[in-house]
Amino acid sequence: DAKTTQPPSMDCAEGRAANLPCNHSTISGNEYVYWYRQIHSQGPQYIIHGLKNNETNEMASLIITEDRKSSTLILPHATLRDTAVYYCIVLSIQGAQKLVFGQGTRLTINP
Amino acid sequence: DGGITQSPKYLFRKEGQNVTLSCEQNLNHDAMYWYRQDPGQGLRLIYYSQIVNDFQKGDIAEGYSVSREKKESFPLTVTSAQKNPTAFYLCASRHVRTGELFFGEGSRLTVL
Repeated sequence: DAKTTQPPSMDCAEGRAANLPCNHSTISGNEYVYWYRQIHSQGPQYIIHGLKNNETNEMASLIITEDRKSSTLILPHATLRDTAVYYCIVLSIQGAQKLVFGQGTRLTINP
Repeated sequence: DGGITQSPKYLFRKEGQNVTLSCEQNLNHDAMYWYRQDPGQGLRLIYYSQIVNDFQKGDIAEGYSVSREKKESFPLTVTSAQKNPTAFYLCASRHVRTGELFFGEGSRLTVL
């Protein structure tokens, strides 16, 4: 079973910030939070990952709660091209793992 | 450029036939994965491999087989025992230092 839970769908207006939540209440101390997105019929694309500090890159920001039981992916100025399914997964950096994805959140950006 | 290549992109097969999907990576990654995706659904893990000559079953391994004879290659065979093989298949490899997963573009299998 997936170790994360996400809302099945969300909508956001173009130009606004999209905030995608993820719950991972059983996360272990050595596990990171990773976010990927999948545009229809393509392979998932890496967005960002973090351990306990907030992270930002050119695509998004990741906010992780102090207890690490949940996180939020922020797309600061959503565009129509951000319409996709977003997956949150937790895993440790090294070692072979049974990497299980949940159902993700289908984000629709509306003009 | 480095990356993961899956082939073929589209494949049709008749019922009762085995088919092999290719996955090749030149990223020097040790870990590789196969996922299945059905329409409107998430990714389900079929098999994964940490090193050459070693692999583990995922959640839906029945009707599938894999091999890992080379670090670069992780082919998936969809056997006739797989009752509903029509799906989108994704291969991934994992960076040892960052843990990031890199995905191929997928192979879409249709059983006629």
